[in-house]
Amino acid sequence: GAVVSQHPSWVICKSGTSVKIECRSLDFQATTMFWYRQFPKQSLMLMATSNEGSKATYEQGVEKDKFLINHASLTLSTLTVTSAHPEDSSFYICSARDTRLHQETQYFGPGTRLLVL
Amino acid sequence: DAKTTQPTSMDCAEGRAANLPCNHSTISGNEYVYWYRQIHSQGPQYIIHGLKNNETNEMASLIITEDRKSSTLILPHATLRDTAVYYCIFYLYNQGGKLIFGQGTELSVKP
Repeated sequence: GAVVSQHPSWVICKSGTSVKIECRSLDFQATTMFWYRQFPKQSLMLMATSNEGSKATYEQGVEKDKFLINHASLTLSTLTVTSAHPEDSSFYICSARDTRLHQETQYFGPGTRLLVL
Repeated sequence: DAKTTQPTSMDCAEGRAANLPCNHSTISGNEYVYWYRQIHSQGPQYIIHGLKNNETNEMASLIITEDRKSSTLILPHATLRDTAVYYCIFYLYNQGGKLIFGQGTELSVKP
């Protein structure tokens, strides 16, 4: 399958600072990427859909001013957690939509673990 | 939202086939069923998907009932590395390819 990377794999930051997470599709172009959040022992929760060259679409209840998404190229989307607080500590996972084949598939990155102190 | 129902957990003996069921009675005619799995602390891994015909790849087989209201993922010879949470999901093409994850089935493969 296709490869999606995330950077960093883990990050620790102080409360009030901002953290940027990168998601890259390494061997295909992705006009659409998705950002998820996962708390311990819970399932993945979709946060937003990131579209190349346009504004992201956020799921209900997700603050767009707190979770800034930029999809500046066909292989890169970034998620910035602004003014992070301890309750933002979570596992953040991105996925990229691969439409090369007749049947499209989404491939996921390895995730970024964020700890806010 | 499109909804699937899976057992919370299952056990399987190493080397035996693991059969993971999924109910999706609300599936519409053009919605595909996708299966992913998530090994602890990793991102989900794509396994297989199907519409109405049975599918097989190097990882698994997918059996979809004729009425498409349920399906079964089969891992033919489970290994300890197959221990993971398995998710059965509708692929929402008309919503830009969204995947809405349920709680999944926690499969434990035991020696």
